[in-house]
Amino acid sequence: TQLLEQSPQFLSIQEGENLTVYCNSSSVFSSLQWYRQEPGEGPVLLVTVVTGGEVKKLKRLTFQFGDARKDSSLHITAAQTGDTGLYLCAGDNYGQNFVFGPGTRLSVLP
Amino acid sequence: DAMVIQNPRYQVTQFGKPVTLSCSQTLNHNVMYWYQQKSSQAPKLLFHYYDKDFNNEADTPDNFQSRRPNTSFCFLDIRSPGLGDAAMYLCATSRDWTGRNTEAFFGQGTRLTVV
Repeated sequence: TQLLEQSPQFLSIQEGENLTVYCNSSSVFSSLQWYRQEPGEGPVLLVTVVTGGEVKKLKRLTFQFGDARKDSSLHITAAQTGDTGLYLCAGDNYGQNFVFGPGTRLSVLP
Repeated sequence: DAMVIQNPRYQVTQFGKPVTLSCSQTLNHNVMYWYQQKSSQAPKLLFHYYDKDFNNEADTPDNFQSRRPNTSFCFLDIRSPGLGDAAMYLCATSRDWTGRNTEAFFGQGTRLTVV
Protein backbone atom coordinates (compact mmCIF):
# COMPACT_ATOMS: atom_id res chain seq x y z
CA THR A 1 0.00 0.00 0.00
CA GLN A 2 1.38 3.35 -1.02
CA LEU A 3 1.18 6.07 1.58
CA LEU A 4 0.80 9.77 1.10
CA GLU A 5 1.99 12.09 3.83
CA GLN A 6 0.86 15.66 4.17
CA SER A 7 2.45 18.48 6.12
CA PRO A 8 1.76 20.40 8.14
CA GLN A 9 -1.16 18.60 9.72
CA PHE A 10 -2.60 21.85 11.04
CA LEU A 11 -1.96 25.43 9.96
CA SER A 12 -3.43 28.62 11.35
CA ILE A 13 -2.58 31.91 9.69
CA GLN A 14 -3.83 35.47 9.38
CA GLU A 15 -5.72 36.67 6.36
CA GLY A 16 -3.34 38.03 3.74
CA GLU A 17 -0.46 35.70 4.54
CA ASN A 18 1.04 33.20 2.12
CA LEU A 19 1.35 29.51 2.84
CA THR A 20 2.54 26.25 1.34
CA VAL A 21 1.37 22.75 2.16
CA TYR A 22 3.06 19.58 1.04
CA CYS A 23 2.11 16.10 -0.09
CA ASN A 24 4.88 13.49 -0.15
CA SER A 25 5.29 9.83 -0.93
CA SER A 26 7.99 7.30 -1.64
CA SER A 27 5.87 6.00 -4.51
CA VAL A 28 5.41 7.29 -8.02
CA PHE A 29 1.91 8.30 -9.05
CA SER A 30 0.46 8.64 -12.53
CA SER A 31 -1.45 11.67 -11.33
CA LEU A 32 -2.17 13.50 -8.15
CA GLN A 33 -5.24 15.45 -7.16
CA TRP A 34 -5.90 18.16 -4.61
CA TYR A 35 -9.25 18.54 -2.90
CA ARG A 36 -10.67 21.01 -0.39
CA GLN A 37 -13.23 19.77 2.08
CA GLU A 38 -15.32 22.03 4.29
CA PRO A 39 -16.92 20.73 7.50
CA GLY A 40 -19.92 18.53 6.83
CA GLU A 41 -19.36 18.52 3.07
CA GLY A 42 -17.73 16.21 0.55
CA PRO A 43 -14.30 16.95 -0.92
CA VAL A 44 -14.30 19.26 -3.91
CA LEU A 45 -11.70 18.70 -6.60
CA LEU A 46 -9.36 21.65 -7.07
CA VAL A 47 -6.84 20.36 -9.60
CA THR A 48 -5.21 17.30 -11.12
CA VAL A 49 -1.51 17.28 -11.94
CA VAL A 50 -0.20 14.69 -14.33
CA THR A 51 3.22 15.59 -15.70
CA GLY A 52 6.39 15.65 -13.59
CA GLY A 53 7.37 19.26 -12.91
CA GLU A 54 3.95 20.54 -13.91
CA VAL A 55 2.73 23.79 -12.38
CA LYS A 56 -0.94 24.74 -12.41
CA LYS A 57 -2.46 27.96 -11.18
CA LEU A 58 -6.01 28.43 -9.99
CA LYS A 59 -6.40 32.13 -9.08
CA ARG A 60 -4.39 32.48 -5.85
CA LEU A 61 -3.58 28.77 -5.65
CA THR A 62 -0.45 27.33 -7.29
CA PHE A 63 0.00 23.58 -7.52
CA GLN A 64 3.23 21.84 -8.42
CA PHE A 65 3.93 18.20 -9.18
CA GLY A 66 7.44 17.03 -8.37
CA ASP A 67 9.75 16.04 -11.20
CA ALA A 68 9.74 12.42 -10.03
CA ARG A 69 5.94 12.42 -9.57
CA LYS A 70 6.27 11.45 -5.91
CA ASP A 71 5.33 14.73 -4.29
CA SER A 72 3.31 17.86 -4.74
CA SER A 73 2.84 21.25 -3.15
CA LEU A 74 0.02 23.74 -2.89
CA HIS A 75 0.88 27.39 -2.41
CA ILE A 76 -1.78 29.94 -1.50
CA THR A 77 -1.05 33.62 -1.95
CA ALA A 78 -2.78 36.22 0.20
CA ALA A 79 -4.97 33.72 2.02
CA GLN A 80 -8.61 34.59 2.64
CA THR A 81 -10.99 33.32 5.29
CA GLY A 82 -12.83 31.44 2.56
CA ASP A 83 -9.72 29.29 2.04
CA THR A 84 -10.34 27.65 5.42
CA GLY A 85 -10.83 23.92 5.12
CA LEU A 86 -9.22 20.50 4.96
CA TYR A 87 -6.86 20.15 2.01
CA LEU A 88 -6.49 16.58 0.83
CA CYS A 89 -4.11 15.21 -1.75
CA ALA A 90 -4.90 11.94 -3.46
CA GLY A 91 -2.69 9.83 -5.68
CA ASP A 92 -3.58 7.59 -8.57
CA ASN A 93 -1.19 4.64 -8.56
CA TYR A 94 -1.39 3.44 -12.14
CA GLY A 95 -4.65 1.63 -11.59
CA GLN A 96 -3.59 -0.28 -8.50
CA ASN A 97 -5.28 2.00 -6.05
CA PHE A 98 -6.31 5.55 -5.31
CA VAL A 99 -5.04 6.78 -1.97
CA PHE A 100 -5.70 9.87 0.09
CA GLY A 101 -3.26 11.67 2.33
CA PRO A 102 -4.38 12.53 5.89
CA GLY A 103 -4.94 16.17 4.98
CA THR A 104 -3.84 19.59 6.13
CA ARG A 105 -6.39 21.48 8.15
CA LEU A 106 -6.08 25.18 7.33
CA SER A 107 -7.60 27.98 9.37
CA VAL A 108 -7.40 31.51 8.01
CA LEU A 109 -8.20 34.06 10.67
CA PRO A 110 -9.68 37.49 9.89
CA ASP B 1 -26.15 21.68 -10.34
CA ALA B 2 -25.31 18.76 -8.12
CA MET B 3 -23.84 15.89 -10.11
CA VAL B 4 -23.35 13.38 -7.31
CA ILE B 5 -26.25 13.37 -4.89
CA GLN B 6 -26.34 11.57 -1.59
CA ASN B 7 -29.41 10.95 0.50
CA PRO B 8 -30.01 11.54 3.23
CA ARG B 9 -27.50 14.18 4.37
CA TYR B 10 -27.93 13.05 7.96
CA GLN B 11 -28.99 9.60 9.14
CA VAL B 12 -29.55 8.41 12.68
CA THR B 13 -29.89 4.70 13.20
CA GLN B 14 -30.09 2.39 16.18
CA PHE B 15 -27.31 0.06 17.14
CA GLY B 16 -27.76 -3.14 15.13
CA LYS B 17 -30.57 -1.83 12.93
CA PRO B 18 -29.84 -2.15 9.20
CA VAL B 19 -29.46 1.11 7.34
CA THR B 20 -29.11 2.01 3.66
CA LEU B 21 -27.44 5.09 2.25
CA SER B 22 -28.01 6.11 -1.34
CA CYS B 23 -26.04 7.85 -4.03
CA SER B 24 -27.05 8.93 -7.52
CA GLN B 25 -25.09 10.54 -10.30
CA THR B 26 -25.96 12.47 -13.43
CA LEU B 27 -22.48 12.22 -14.94
CA ASN B 28 -22.94 8.78 -16.53
CA HIS B 29 -19.61 7.77 -15.04
CA ASN B 30 -18.50 4.17 -15.11
CA VAL B 31 -17.03 4.04 -11.63
CA MET B 32 -18.75 4.67 -8.31
CA TYR B 33 -16.98 4.58 -4.97
CA TRP B 34 -17.97 4.50 -1.32
CA TYR B 35 -15.67 6.01 1.26
CA GLN B 36 -15.86 6.16 5.02
CA GLN B 37 -14.46 9.25 6.69
CA LYS B 38 -14.14 9.52 10.44
CA SER B 39 -13.49 12.74 12.25
CA SER B 40 -10.16 14.39 11.39
CA GLN B 41 -9.18 11.51 9.11
CA ALA B 42 -8.82 11.09 5.38
CA PRO B 43 -11.52 9.23 3.44
CA LYS B 44 -11.03 5.47 3.46
CA LEU B 45 -12.14 3.48 0.42
CA LEU B 46 -14.65 0.74 1.25
CA PHE B 47 -15.39 -0.55 -2.26
CA HIS B 48 -16.04 0.54 -5.79
CA TYR B 49 -17.97 -0.54 -8.85
CA TYR B 50 -16.60 -0.41 -12.36
CA ASP B 51 -19.90 -0.59 -14.19
CA LYS B 52 -21.40 -3.72 -12.63
CA ASP B 53 -18.12 -5.20 -11.47
CA PHE B 54 -17.82 -4.98 -7.71
CA ASN B 55 -14.43 -4.50 -6.06
CA ASN B 56 -14.14 -4.82 -2.30
CA GLU B 57 -11.18 -3.45 -0.36
CA ALA B 58 -9.47 -6.19 1.61
CA ASP B 59 -10.07 -4.58 4.99
CA THR B 60 -13.71 -3.59 4.47
CA PRO B 61 -15.81 -5.37 7.12
CA ASP B 62 -18.45 -7.86 5.97
CA ASN B 63 -20.99 -5.68 7.73
CA PHE B 64 -20.76 -3.32 4.75
CA GLN B 65 -22.40 -4.28 1.48
CA SER B 66 -23.16 -2.41 -1.70
CA ARG B 67 -25.55 -2.58 -4.62
CA ARG B 68 -25.50 -0.86 -7.97
CA PRO B 69 -28.77 -1.62 -9.78
CA ASN B 70 -27.97 0.69 -12.70
CA THR B 71 -25.39 3.25 -13.86
CA SER B 72 -26.94 6.10 -11.94
CA PHE B 73 -27.50 4.63 -8.51
CA CYS B 74 -25.38 2.98 -5.88
CA PHE B 75 -26.34 1.96 -2.34
CA LEU B 76 -24.37 1.30 0.81
CA ASP B 77 -25.98 -1.19 3.18
CA ILE B 78 -24.75 -1.51 6.74
CA ARG B 79 -26.26 -4.71 8.04
CA SER B 80 -25.70 -4.26 11.75
CA PRO B 81 -24.34 -0.81 12.54
CA GLY B 82 -22.09 -0.53 15.53
CA LEU B 83 -21.05 2.59 17.39
CA GLY B 84 -17.74 2.47 15.55
CA ASP B 85 -19.53 2.84 12.21
CA ALA B 86 -20.58 6.40 12.98
CA ALA B 87 -18.87 8.47 10.32
CA MET B 88 -19.33 10.54 7.21
CA TYR B 89 -19.97 8.29 4.21
CA LEU B 90 -18.90 9.73 0.89
CA CYS B 91 -19.93 8.61 -2.55
CA ALA B 92 -17.77 9.51 -5.52
CA THR B 93 -17.73 8.83 -9.23
CA SER B 94 -15.14 8.87 -11.97
CA ARG B 95 -15.42 8.47 -15.69
CA ASP B 96 -12.90 5.67 -15.73
CA TRP B 97 -10.83 3.68 -13.28
CA THR B 98 -7.58 4.95 -11.86
CA GLY B 99 -4.43 4.69 -13.91
CA ARG B 100 -6.02 6.67 -16.69
CA ASN B 101 -5.59 10.09 -15.13
CA THR B 102 -9.20 10.26 -14.22
CA GLU B 103 -10.72 12.49 -11.56
CA ALA B 104 -13.14 11.70 -8.76
CA PHE B 105 -16.22 13.81 -8.03
CA PHE B 106 -17.73 13.57 -4.57
CA GLY B 107 -21.21 13.95 -3.21
CA GLN B 108 -21.88 16.01 -0.12
CA GLY B 109 -21.80 12.97 2.09
CA THR B 110 -24.16 11.34 4.57
CA ARG B 111 -23.31 11.75 8.21
CA LEU B 112 -24.33 8.60 10.04
CA THR B 113 -24.99 8.61 13.76
CA VAL B 114 -25.49 5.32 15.62
CA VAL B 115 -27.38 5.49 18.89
